[in-house]
Parts: sequence; C-alpha cells; structure tokens
Amino acid sequence: GAVVSQHPSWVICKSGTSVKIECRSLDFQATTMFWYRQFPKQSLMLMATSNEGSKATYEQGVEKDKFLINHASLTLSTLTVTSAHPEDSSFYICSARRQGSYNEQFFGPGTRLTVL
Amino acid sequence: AQTVTQSQPEMSVQEAETVTLSCTYDTSENNYYLFWYKQPPSRQMILVIRQEAYKQQNATENRFSVNFQKAAKSFSLKISDSQLGDTAMYFCAFMKPYGGSQGNLIFGKGTKLSVKP
Repeated sequence: GAVVSQHPSWVICKSGTSVKIECRSLDFQATTMFWYRQFPKQSLMLMATSNEGSKATYEQGVEKDKFLINHASLTLSTLTVTSAHPEDSSFYICSARRQGSYNEQFFGPGTRLTVL
Repeated sequence: AQTVTQSQPEMSVQEAETVTLSCTYDTSENNYYLFWYKQPPSRQMILVIRQEAYKQQNATENRFSVNFQKAAKSFSLKISDSQLGDTAMYFCAFMKPYGGSQGNLIFGKGTKLSVKP
C-alpha cells in the first residue's frame, strides 16, 4: 500500500511551451501533497505544498505564476511548468501525506524535465 | 528557521562492515520528527527510519539504527552488515510537529554512500 505515481517519468519540451506533471496517490487519499525540485547531485528543495480543494502554498522564491499547482481531488495533484526555459530543467518529485497521518509521506518516482 | 546539516558529502564502506552517517539539525521546537531517507540511482525516495523527538529510545529497523542525541541535536544513522544494495544517497530530514507547519520535510544536503565488494 501507499503508492504514489508520477506521470510522465521524463519529458523533453521546447523552450516557451508548458508541461504538466501529474502526481497520484494510487491506494490512499492524500489531503496534502508536496512538490520538490532536485538539481543534479543536490538535495530536495520544497517548492510548494498543496491541500486538496485550496490554493497551494509556495515557498519563498518560487514563482506561483510559473509553477501552477492544482490539487482538485484527494488522489491527484498537478504541477504545470508554464513557458518553460532551459533553467527549469530539473528532477521534480512529489510526495503525498495520507489522510489522518501527519508524519508520514510517500514519494513518487520523480519526473525528469529537460527544456531545450 | 530549521536547518539540517550533513557534513559528509561522500562515504564508502566495505561490504558486511558497519558505517555511520552524521546529521545535525537546528531547531527551537521541543517536539518534532526526524527521518533518514535513501535515494538509490533510480532516484525513488525510500524511508529508512523515523524518530519522534519525544521518544528517548533510539529507533531501529533491521540493520539500520539511529543514535538520537536531543540535547546535542544530533541524529546519526548506523548501517550494520552493509550490503551492495545500500549504495545510495542518504538524506537526513526534519519535520515540525503537527500544528507547527503543514508537515513539509526539510532535507540535509545528503551523503553519498558507496558499498564496495
């Protein structure tokens, strides 16, 4: 149990286009989902926290108009990178917190984004 | 603000031996959670072990155990009988208590562990 999927696992896009990444909790309901960014050989940096049915909370320095987050259901959160540029190329990881369980997060396998 | 420091960027250990990864953190909270995560080359984050600050007993999970020193704000991970499959990046992470935040994790920079045959 407690499986989180991400789709796509990798994507290549042209500069200026938008890319949507999906994060799904497959066998549990997730009231909160987190989006992280990880550069090569670096740690995970929290980008935003999304709660089902409400606006996401963005970390300082993360542009909310560039990284659109939607958490429309208890099993799905999406991250849309709008007008992507090469500097947005990175590994994006989501995690989900099971409803009723505060201190436990389950991670998706990540999405590698390459912007040409 | 909370910070997590891992002072060992890379470590190596011979198969079957024991290795200890260091982690220190800074917080003014009295209760919180600490974690060690493993990220193998597949990049899937895997929870290794979890410790609740109000519990004095060190957490253990099979070959993995922690040395939690609350006063020193230290949380080291000991891996016994190291196996080739333990080769990975290891991240120490901190989480505020319920009500203190939305429950996001604050990660250290990681330690790259290589287990040599």
